Order: sequence, then C-alpha cells, then structure tokens
Amino acid sequence: GAGVSQSPSNKVTEKGKDVELRCDPISGHTALYWYRQSLGQGLEFLIYFQGNSAPDKSGLPSDRFSAERTGGSVSTLTIQRTQQEDSAVYLCASSFTRDDEQYFGPGTRLTVT
Amino acid sequence: QKEVEQNSGPLSVPEGAIASLNCTYSDRVSQSFFWYRQYSGKSPELIMSIYSNGDKEDGRFTAQLNKASQYVSLLIRDSQPSDSATYLCAVINTNAGKSTFGDGTTLTVKP
Repeated sequence: GAGVSQSPSNKVTEKGKDVELRCDPISGHTALYWYRQSLGQGLEFLIYFQGNSAPDKSGLPSDRFSAERTGGSVSTLTIQRTQQEDSAVYLCASSFTRDDEQYFGPGTRLTVT
Repeated sequence: QKEVEQNSGPLSVPEGAIASLNCTYSDRVSQSFFWYRQYSGKSPELIMSIYSNGDKEDGRFTAQLNKASQYVSLLIRDSQPSDSATYLCAVINTNAGKSTFGDGTTLTVKP
C-alpha cells in the first residue's frame, strides 16, 4: 500500500519568506509526527497529532513554526519568516496509534538562502 | 542525561562479522521498543520491534530487550557493506503516549 508521502521533496527559499510543507500519512493512521533533522544530527521532535485531540506542540522551536492537520489526515507544517538555521530535512511519520511503530515519509529538504 | 542513549560511533566491523548496537533508556515504564535504519540522505526505515524481555530474531537481525537493566540491543549477523548506515533506537512509553528516539549509532561494514 501507499506509504507516507511528503511534498515538496526539496524547497529553496529566501530568508524571511514563509514556507509550507505537506505530509500525507498512511491511510487509517491516527497519529502523525513532524521531526526536523539537521545534517549529521538526530531527529528533533517538533509536533504530534493524535486523532482529534489537541496536538502536542512541545517541540516547536519558536512561534514561527505552526502545524495543522485537517480532517485527521493531511498535515501542513508552516514556517514563517524563515531563517538560515531553519535549513534542515523535515520528516513526517505516521503510526496506527500512538503506541505503534512509526513509518516515515521521504522528507522535505529545506534550504534557506 | 538523555532519555534514550546510543553510542554515536562510528562502529566499524569487517564484512561477515557480528555488529552489536546498544541502546539504554531512562523511562522505566517504557513498553515498546523499535530499531530503525537510516541510510545517508534517506529517511529512517523500521527494522524490528520488540515488546517483551528476551530475544527476537528476524533473518540476520536479532533484537534483545532487558527491561530490568533498561537496555535494548540489535545484533546484525554476517554483516554486509549494505548494512552500513545509522541505526536509531526508539522507545515508547505507552502510558504517556510518548515516543523518544536516540541520536543513532553509525555502523560501517568494511569489505
């Protein structure tokens, strides 16, 4: 079946611009996660959605970052007024429930110039 | 202290040897444990899950869990150059609904 998909695969933007990253989870998965991974580093948790519950936003690094999940499916991560330190790979993962293994999308490589 | 700790490596083993990757965790009530493999420039992919104390084997991979000592390990038998990657350990506290990833161990298998 179809895995987690993300778009775009690559995004180059100028400092100060806003960007939107999209994640389409595996059908039927109620949990959705966003992570950030800088070159050579581990996964940095950003935000977690579980069904219709309020999201866990504890990992968002600043108020320039926000995310939403519409209809319990597709999610969008928005970064406003991008900075060079936002350059990283943004990974989305989904799982059947919060207790299950996560499946990752291919990621979006964001470069802020 | 990190919640999930892994030796960053790099761990280098010759082709055909056994590679042993270790992970320790601090949350004693953690209940679900996963190993992921991440090739350079790619996203993590699930290798194995383990929930009970003891060993779980899948092909050349064996996961070992010891909840009393709070560690989980991954053994790769007959290591191949294609096993060269970063291996991530993930731990879930199902009561809290919290999942935590280690920073990964980089494995290099030399021909």
